[in-house]
Amino acid sequence: ETGVTQTPRHLVMGMTNKKSLKCEQHLGHNAMYWYKQSAKKPLELMFVYSLEERVENNSVPSRFSPECPNSSHLFLHLHTLQPEDSALYLCASSQEIGGYTFGSGTRLTVV
Amino acid sequence: AQSVTQPDIHITVSEGASLELRCNYSYGATPYLFWYVQSPGQGLQLLLKYFSGDTLVQGIKGFEAEFKRSQSSFNLRKPSVHWSDAAEYFCAVGAREYGNKLVFGAGTILRVKS
Repeated sequence: ETGVTQTPRHLVMGMTNKKSLKCEQHLGHNAMYWYKQSAKKPLELMFVYSLEERVENNSVPSRFSPECPNSSHLFLHLHTLQPEDSALYLCASSQEIGGYTFGSGTRLTVV
Repeated sequence: AQSVTQPDIHITVSEGASLELRCNYSYGATPYLFWYVQSPGQGLQLLLKYFSGDTLVQGIKGFEAEFKRSQSSFNLRKPSVHWSDAAEYFCAVGAREYGNKLVFGAGTILRVKS
């Protein structure tokens, strides 16, 4: 149990589907993040939420839509994805600059 | 711009041998430094972190790292590697001036041969 829980662990979706990734933390952290990890590429920061407000959006395509309804939950809504969006999507949380706690990730395959 | 360099993409070490993974950073502020480990298909787990004080930091699983300001380095070491240490290792840097955001290196894949 890492303190950050991501569901589902695996997801296969067609390019016309709509799905959502969920992240939940019970660590009392005040910031949450979405990262994309593709094979042979560095971790890509997608979104940052601090105190439930989006503070960073790293030029992510609009087919990815984040939502942070409260300090414990973070969602990533997906629609009309492309095969190159297949990757491991990691959620993390942090309190101040104390370092991140990561979830186990969602392995997304777009077919 | 802030950056983190892990010069070695892959490293292979014999079981029982010592290990050193390199990390260099370029940061315009006093850095906070981290090492994470990732097993296949899993998230990243924090091994150790440096904020201030003693420049030699002890972490979990027998790892340690040394902060050398003059070399802008934060290398990870382990005196005797176990087969279960095979994984990918990420160095990360942050600073209070940049809020909570961490910048990650590209990672080093460690292979352990018996």
